[in-house]
Amino acid sequence: GNSVTQMEGPVTLSEEAFLTINCTYTATGYPSLFWYVQYPGEGLQLLLKATKADDKGSNKGFEATYRKETTSFHLEKGSVQVSDSAVYFCALSGTGGSYIPTFGRGTSLIVHP
Amino acid sequence: DAGVTQSPTHLIKTRGQQVTLRCSPKSGHDTVSWYQQALGQGPQFIFQYYEEEERQRGNFPDRFSGHQFPNYSSELNVNALLLGDSALYLCASSPRQGREETQYFGPGTRLLVL
Repeated sequence: GNSVTQMEGPVTLSEEAFLTINCTYTATGYPSLFWYVQYPGEGLQLLLKATKADDKGSNKGFEATYRKETTSFHLEKGSVQVSDSAVYFCALSGTGGSYIPTFGRGTSLIVHP
Repeated sequence: DAGVTQSPTHLIKTRGQQVTLRCSPKSGHDTVSWYQQALGQGPQFIFQYYEEEERQRGNFPDRFSGHQFPNYSSELNVNALLLGDSALYLCASSPRQGREETQYFGPGTRLLVL
């Protein structure tokens, strides 16, 4: 079956540091890949997505590239802010005719001033 | 444009009781999915509704049931509550009868079972 593996958190950074959160996946076929973000006390929001190999999703300074050869979709940001503190979820969907996403366990990011 | 709304925001129940959670989808969306998010975990898919029928179901027991109304809003019912049912329950909506990959999530209902 499909699965998503994320690096364990929390990831603790100082403001303006570079961020990488690793995500790898196992899936049959060619899934679409997503990053969702969950701020404290809120539901999940779509951050970015990529639908085919070598696509780069980007939003709010965050980027992730769909790497089919390494089955990865790592999230990066060049300079994090305190307001980026949240839990980040990697997800995939679109295999076997189903659009129901499979989520990773989430990675907590804490950014200090 | 109102997003996905859920009620109540918090709920405390005791083991064996029954609970009903409610969700109104984003305007223009016809599909509602429910997820359970345990503490420190990613959301787990419970089931999906469109055209007032359950279309897909995840690995959850029959104690979990749902309903969708003609206005596309939805309810999640859980019977015979267990301590392990304590979680954040998320509703997500999408258009096109489940053929849209992006999910739009509500803020969730936090259920505590004592």
